[in-house]
Amino acid sequence: AQSVTQPDIHITVSEGASLELRCNYSYGATPYLFWYVQSPGQGLQLLLKYFSGDTLVQGIKGFEAEFKRSQSSFNLRKPSVHWSDAAEYFCAVVHGSSNTGKLIFGQGTTLQVKP
Amino acid sequence: DTAVSQTPKYLVTQMGNDKSIKCEQNLGHDTMYWYKQDSKKFLKIMFSYNNKELIINETVPNRFSPKSPDKAHLNLHINSLELGDSAVYFCASSQGSPNTIYFGEGSWLTVV
Repeated sequence: AQSVTQPDIHITVSEGASLELRCNYSYGATPYLFWYVQSPGQGLQLLLKYFSGDTLVQGIKGFEAEFKRSQSSFNLRKPSVHWSDAAEYFCAVVHGSSNTGKLIFGQGTTLQVKP
Repeated sequence: DTAVSQTPKYLVTQMGNDKSIKCEQNLGHDTMYWYKQDSKKFLKIMFSYNNKELIINETVPNRFSPKSPDKAHLNLHINSLELGDSAVYFCASSQGSPNTIYFGEGSWLTVV
C-alpha cells in the first residue's frame, strides 16, 4: 500500500535560516508528488508538484523540492525562511496510473519561525 | 473569484442534527472530491466524483451522502451528526491526468 512519511512532526527555525522538510514515500511505480501548505485556519495551498522530468522543481513562495528515486524522497527546501512561512506542511502522493486523484497525505510538519 | 469555494466555513451544531456543506468550483474540472481532516490534522479522502459519477467511496459511514447536481458542484450531506464527525472538510477538484488537485478553504464542523 502506498504511504507517505514526514519524519519531523514539528520544526522550529529562525527567520532567515534555511529550511528542509523531509518526505519519504512508499510506492512501486513512478509517483506523482505534491507539497501543500496550510496556514492557521486556512485551506490547503499547492506549493509545488513533481510529475516527471527535472527532479528539482520550483514552487511558489520561494520553495523548491527535489525528487530522489533512489531514496524514495521528495524533500522541500527554502533558502531563507520568512515569518509568514509558519504553517503546516503536507507531502502527498497520488496513484499515477489509476488517475483517481486519490491523494495519500503524510502526517504533516508544523513549522514554527522564531524572530 | 475563488476557484473552489465551500459554504459554510464554520458550522457548530448539535448531535443528531442533519447538515449540508456545499462546494462549487469554477475551474471547469471534471472531478471533485471531499477530504476530511481530523483533529490530529490527518487528511484522508472520503469521496470522488467524475462528471457526476461516484468514483471513490472510502468506507465512509452511510450517514455521509455526497450529491453532485452537475460537474461544478459537489455537496456533502451528513445525517444524525455525531461528536466524532467534528473535523475540517475540504472540497477539491482536478482535471485530467496527472491530476493537480486544488482545494477549497475548508469547512470547520463542530458537533456539540
